[in-house]
Amino acid sequence: GNSVTQMEGPVTLSEEAFLTINCTYTATGYPSLFWYVQYPGEGLQLLLKATKADDKGSNKGFEATYRKETTSFHLEKGSVQVSDSAVYFCALKETSGSRLTFGEGTQLTVNP
Amino acid sequence: NAGVMQNPRHLVRRRGQEARLRCSPMKGHSHVYWYRQLPEEGLKFMVYLQKENIIDESGMPKERFSAEFPKEGPSILRIQQVVRGDSAAYFCASSPGTDPNYGYTFGSGTRLTVV
Repeated sequence: GNSVTQMEGPVTLSEEAFLTINCTYTATGYPSLFWYVQYPGEGLQLLLKATKADDKGSNKGFEATYRKETTSFHLEKGSVQVSDSAVYFCALKETSGSRLTFGEGTQLTVNP
Repeated sequence: NAGVMQNPRHLVRRRGQEARLRCSPMKGHSHVYWYRQLPEEGLKFMVYLQKENIIDESGMPKERFSAEFPKEGPSILRIQQVVRGDSAAYFCASSPGTDPNYGYTFGSGTRLTVV
């Protein structure tokens, strides 16, 4: 079956530090890949997505590149802010399916 | 254009009672998905519905849980005879179709506490 594995958290960084959150997946076919962000007490918001190999998704300074050869979709940001503190979820969706399969989430805390 | 509306935001039930969670999808979205998030865990798929039809309920517990999406009105996730292990955040998402380019829009969730 499909699965998504994220680096274990929590991750604590100082403001303006470089962020990487690793995500690898297992799937049949060619899934679409997503990063969602969840702020405290809220629902999930789509952060970025990539629907085919070598695509790069980007939004609000965050980036992730769909690497088929390594089955990875690592999230990066060059300079994090306190307001980026949240839980980040990597997810995949099969081409023929409808459901999203989520990773376990990575808690990010950014200190001033 | 309102987003996905879930209510109530917080729900407290005693063991053995029924919990009813409501979800109104975004305007124009006919596909609804329910997910459960247990404390300190990721989201687990429960059920996928279109108007008046359950398309995929492979993530639903076999007993006590049911879902519907009637022709008129919100989608309802119903949990009968709740137990402490049902305490979780329940999220609804909607989309206009299954094309991955659409993405999913999530509601703010219902946090169920069973006492």
